[in-house]
Amino acid sequence: RKEVEQDPGPFNVPEGATVAFNCTYSNSASQSFFWYRQDCRKEPKLLMSVYSSGNEDGRFTAQLNRASQYISLLIRDSKLSDSATYLCVVKMEAGNMLTFGGGTRLMVKP
Amino acid sequence: DVKVTQSSRYLVKRTGEKVFLECVQDMDHENMFWYRQDPGLGLRLIYFSYDVKMKEKGDIPEGYSVSREKKERFSLILESASTNQTSMYLCASSFGRGDYGYTFGSGTRLTVV
Repeated sequence: RKEVEQDPGPFNVPEGATVAFNCTYSNSASQSFFWYRQDCRKEPKLLMSVYSSGNEDGRFTAQLNRASQYISLLIRDSKLSDSATYLCVVKMEAGNMLTFGGGTRLMVKP
Repeated sequence: DVKVTQSSRYLVKRTGEKVFLECVQDMDHENMFWYRQDPGLGLRLIYFSYDVKMKEKGDIPEGYSVSREKKERFSLILESASTNQTSMYLCASSFGRGDYGYTFGSGTRLTVV
């Protein structure tokens, strides 16, 4: 079983739609959680950290469910520019290492 | 903003050549990492370093070595390049225990012919 699992997609949605991605992680002692965005042929960039109480940044909302060991990302009012791969990232209990999921590809169409 | 700079954006090398990929960060980060990324395989950790002169193997170290002589610089070395090392190579750095995530360089797309 992979340590961080994501549905690879692609998720094809029209502009203006709301879309949600989930991610599950295997280590219940994981400490920190992030969503990264990666555009085609570019490096991953930090989109947002995920906090226990849930957090929002504009059209983006991240949620953490420790009991079920999953993280979600909700994108409201999708824009064409949101088309990218979204990587779920988890910091395990010890050490300084992050573990990356395989990514979920989002394609927003006109 | 933290900057992680990789020396080359695109590189073409011949089989058997020794290849150096350089990575420099400007924010005094302790931790530095080298990944490769291939379609369908995601990010795979090659080597990492938590301090000067320190290095640890990641998940796929075979065929690679690293050097960290200065805190800001982490070099990835392909001792004898092979075609299966054609990939996108990404360097990353982080502060402390990694609770603020990583910052990645813009990547080096290496082709071995």
